[in-house]
Amino acid sequence: NAGVMQNPRHLVRRRGQEARLRCSPMKGHSHVYWYRQLPEEGLKFMVYLQKENIIDESGMPKERFSAEFPKEGPSILRIQQVVRGDSAAYFCASSPQGAPDTQYFGPGTRLTVL
Amino acid sequence: AQSVTQPDIHITVSEGASLELRCNYSYGATPYLFWYVQSPGQGLQLLLKYFSGDTLVQGIKGFEAEFKRSQSSFNLRKPSVHWSDAAEYFCAVGSETGANNLFFGTGTRLTVIP
Repeated sequence: NAGVMQNPRHLVRRRGQEARLRCSPMKGHSHVYWYRQLPEEGLKFMVYLQKENIIDESGMPKERFSAEFPKEGPSILRIQQVVRGDSAAYFCASSPQGAPDTQYFGPGTRLTVL
Repeated sequence: AQSVTQPDIHITVSEGASLELRCNYSYGATPYLFWYVQSPGQGLQLLLKYFSGDTLVQGIKGFEAEFKRSQSSFNLRKPSVHWSDAAEYFCAVGSETGANNLFFGTGTRLTVIP
């Protein structure tokens, strides 16, 4: 059973470009979470999705950030008009059901904004 | 609101020595508690979790943790550290809102010296 897959593993963007981060949950998991880890910090929750639904986006910045988890295909975290402060590691996690289930993390996408 | 405190930013131990990493949490109800380990450039791997029941929890790689409600603590222990245990360790608590997002501590970096 493959784990949580994230791609790309590393992404470099110039200021003002768009970044698209993909996450494929573990087989059988229908709950996806995105977290951001800034250098030297712990992970901060961004958004929680189920198929075709955003359940909790309380951790998402109000502008430029969006997330989706379509009926088919991976979950996408999209960052428009990236700025240097968006440079971070973005982790996706999945679980088979809701709270208080265990979340399994992917290897992360490391975004660098030049 | 939930919060997690890991008071030790960096710990150095000798190989073969015992280890205890501290974690204190703030939570209104029965917490769901986790310890994850992150190797450099990698994602997070679940070491162990506490949902209910026995307050001494056994995990992978010889780790254990003890939930102490009176002290709001969930300290991670290992009787004999191996060089491969060098990594960053994160304590996390589950959300009280039922939305399933995790709150992470800032992490403790473990260095193991021969």
